[in-house]
Amino acid sequence: QVQLVESGGGVVQAGKSLRLSCSASGFIFSSHGMHWVRQAPGKGLECLAFISDNGSIKYYGDSVKGRFNIARDNSRKRVYLQINSLTAYDTAVYFCARGGFGLDVWGQGTTVTVSS
Amino acid sequence: DIQMTQSPSSLSASVGDRVSITCRASQDIRNGLGWYQQKPGKAPKGLIYAASKLHSGVPSTFGGSGSGTEFTLTISSLQPDDFATYYCLQHNSYPWTFGQGTKVEIK
Repeated sequence: QVQLVESGGGVVQAGKSLRLSCSASGFIFSSHGMHWVRQAPGKGLECLAFISDNGSIKYYGDSVKGRFNIARDNSRKRVYLQINSLTAYDTAVYFCARGGFGLDVWGQGTTVTVSS
Repeated sequence: DIQMTQSPSSLSASVGDRVSITCRASQDIRNGLGWYQQKPGKAPKGLIYAASKLHSGVPSTFGGSGSGTEFTLTISSLQPDDFATYYCLQHNSYPWTFGQGTKVEIK
């Protein structure tokens, strides 16, 4: 079945970097743009980054430009989110989602907790 | 970036009620608007895309309308499983942006 599975979250010290991974299955990965979305505890949803199907186009939300980097490996059916210079504001559940009809498939999320 | 203003932030309703949630965009997004349902501890679930088209498997009690800058999600008869938080998402231009959310609670 169509599925997205995130990994790579955990407890990380402020100032460090982290790479999240999202593994896709059940659909033609190379035909879809992919997104990362996060949700801080008790807060709403925030779009972070988008990468086109072939990786040539990337967009970032204003709050993460210059600090986050999205990438993909179509041969491995994975999309990545590199997060640099982590702060407490980055503590959140991070979801990957498939772009199609809006965000039509979501992973279960991976939790990032930034400690001081 | 396009700003999405969603209202109300919360509402209380009873099973069987008709409920409406509104989203306003800071600029014309044509019909590039989706609606999502989220329950605690779960990933969001897509309900509607392109303002009025239902995602596969979504009950027909959910409906979407609007274009340009003003959009509405309507639940025609609220069911027990519908108590959740709802978000709009503009998917017309990058970066995509969400509304702040509407929590639908049991009266």
